[in-house]
Amino acid sequence: DTGVSQDPRHKITKRGQNVTFRCDPISEHNRLYWYRQTLGQGPEFLTYFQNEAQLEKSRLLSDRFSAERPKGSFSTLEIQRTEQGDSAMYLCASSLEGSTEAFFGQGTRLTVV
Amino acid sequence: AQSVSQHNHHVILSEAASLELGCNYSYGGTVNLFWYVQYPGQHLQLLLKYFSGDPLVKGIKGFEAEFIKSKFSFNLRKPSVQWSDTAEYFCAVTPSNTGKLIFGQGTTLQVKP
Repeated sequence: DTGVSQDPRHKITKRGQNVTFRCDPISEHNRLYWYRQTLGQGPEFLTYFQNEAQLEKSRLLSDRFSAERPKGSFSTLEIQRTEQGDSAMYLCASSLEGSTEAFFGQGTRLTVV
Repeated sequence: AQSVSQHNHHVILSEAASLELGCNYSYGGTVNLFWYVQYPGQHLQLLLKYFSGDPLVKGIKGFEAEFIKSKFSFNLRKPSVQWSDTAEYFCAVTPSNTGKLIFGQGTTLQVKP
C-alpha cells in the first residue's frame, strides 16, 4: 500500500500520560498536514509542514502538542499530559506542493481515560 | 474567519432516490472547493473538486457538484443513490495556496436498500 500510513490505529492512555503518533506520507509528497476530528464534527486543521519546515500551526495546537518532521519524510505528533478533551481521531494527510488534492491516512483514534 | 456550513447533518434515503447535500462557505476571496467521502471504517477520499472554469463538476461514482459564486455554495448531487453510498460526506475549502482544508461538520448519509 503506497498511501498515507498512520501508527498506531488506536491508542488508549491514562490522563496525564504522553502519547506520540506517527505519520508516513506518500513518498514524493512534500506537504504534510495534521488534523483532529471529534465525534460529529469535520476534521479541524492543526498544523502543516512543507518538507521539514512547520509553516503553520492552528490555535487549537496548545503548548502540550508538538509536531515534527525532522527529515522531511515521516512526521510525529506528540501530546504531553493528555487530557480527556484530547480524545479524538488524529488524521494525517499529504500532498504535493502546488497540488491541492490531499490524501488522507486512516487516522489514529486516541482515547484518554 | 473562514468557515464551511453543511445544512444537513443526517440524511436517510431509499435506494434510487435523488440526493442533494448543501454546502455554504464564508470567504471573500478565491477558493478551491472539495467534497470528501468517508465510507465506514475507511479513510477520507476525494469525491470531486472545483478550482475554476465550468461551475458544474463531475466526480467519481456519479456524483456532481455545482459552484454558485453568488450564493457561496457548492452543493453535492447524485440523481440516484445506492446502498453503497452510505457514508459521511464532508465539504471543504482551501482559501489559500497552503493546501490547508477547512471542513464542514459533515453529513451522514444512510441509504436504505
